[in-house]
Amino acid sequence: SQTIHQWPATLVQPVGSPLSLECTVEGTSNPNLYWYRQAAGRGLQLLFYSVGIGQISSEVPQNLSASRPQDRQFILSSKKLLLSDSGFYLCACKDRADSGQPQHFGDGTRLSIL
Amino acid sequence: GQNIDQPTEMTATEGAIVQINCTYQTSGFNGLFWYQQHAGEAPTFLSYNVLDGLEEKGRFSSFLSRSKGYSYLLLKELQMKDSASYLCAVRRGSTLGRLYFGRGTQLTVWP
Repeated sequence: SQTIHQWPATLVQPVGSPLSLECTVEGTSNPNLYWYRQAAGRGLQLLFYSVGIGQISSEVPQNLSASRPQDRQFILSSKKLLLSDSGFYLCACKDRADSGQPQHFGDGTRLSIL
Repeated sequence: GQNIDQPTEMTATEGAIVQINCTYQTSGFNGLFWYQQHAGEAPTFLSYNVLDGLEEKGRFSSFLSRSKGYSYLLLKELQMKDSASYLCAVRRGSTLGRLYFGRGTQLTVWP
């Protein structure tokens, strides 16, 4: 079964600082990977998705970027954080070969911008 | 875009049955998912419907009507640990498997 590792679990950063959140997956090959953000009082919003190494698609224009340097690694980055970047960031994984399989989530990173 | 609507809050008592509704409008519909999310934790998968009808999994059942753009999650024999947010999510397309979530329904179960 898939295991999704995210770190750190919590992060407090000043406005204008850079960001790097990492997600790695085990127990699957050729996964689709996703980054979501859950802001206070709002639903999960899809930020980025990737079907393979170096292949990134963005859902919404924003201050963030994503990269996939390895098949099982997905990184969320920012050069300069904004207050509005605060939220709960979740990485999700899905076996690309099985269309009926759900996405499974990592434990998330709670990001607070001061 | 996607319009996914579900009630913000619901309450029920232990042992009761509760139905959480979800309506959606989307193009490229390819399935509807229900997730459970306890406070401060990640969502966990509960159920999935791609065809019309009822899917039963123990105390949890989910129903889908594609023509009406409607789904519900039915929770039976409620327990205190069922207090959580329940998220309705619509999948668009097959290969990409993108999910679009409603804002969630906060269910509180009272003793």
